[in-house]
Amino acid sequence: SAVISQKPSRDICQRGTSLTIQCQVDSQVTMMFWYRQQPGQSLTLIATANQGSEATYESGFVIDKFPISRPNLTFSTLTVSNMSPEDSSIYLCSVEFGGETQYFGPGTRLLVL
Amino acid sequence: DAKTTQPPSMDCAEGRAANLPCNHSTISGNEYVYWYRQIHSQGPQYIIHGLKNNETNEMASLIITEDRKSSTLILPHATLRDTAVYYCIVRDYDSGGSNYKLTFGKGTLLTVNP
Repeated sequence: SAVISQKPSRDICQRGTSLTIQCQVDSQVTMMFWYRQQPGQSLTLIATANQGSEATYESGFVIDKFPISRPNLTFSTLTVSNMSPEDSSIYLCSVEFGGETQYFGPGTRLLVL
Repeated sequence: DAKTTQPPSMDCAEGRAANLPCNHSTISGNEYVYWYRQIHSQGPQYIIHGLKNNETNEMASLIITEDRKSSTLILPHATLRDTAVYYCIVRDYDSGGSNYKLTFGKGTLLTVNP
């Protein structure tokens, strides 16, 4: 498996601002993923981020709102732009390891006021 | 949309086996079934996965029916720490069509009682 860390673990932000979430993994991985979990809901995939290529966004998510960087095989960032209270969620990154299994980070808890 | 259906909640007595069912009647022949659990808003934890054969690891056993339209996750001796939301997932492709993705449904809230 892989050890995944996220920063920050939680934050409280004002509407209209942006927050960048970092995801660090202790092994080199090709595929990284970003999910959102709204309060009381299940996880929803935002995008898949492969190193060296543009992120692939799922329906309902756009790059202008959730820009993603993937500068190397152990690191990725997700920015939540121009935030509103509806963006209050847990944001999780995951990595595919061993070609078959995704492992998840601990999540970033975001509250937008 | 998720390709699986699960009961919203189940109870289990501590020390007994917990059997969590999952229906995936539209599964394709090459799609894997994955199980994860999420304990109180922590990141989901991988449990087990399988394609056709039954699988067992240190956490659980996965029983897949011969027609692959349903499966059961078995926690052989449930403890209070197994209280969590359990997700059964059929792995498919992302919107680009070239990468695998996990589509989470609502899962089953398993409550292990003393």
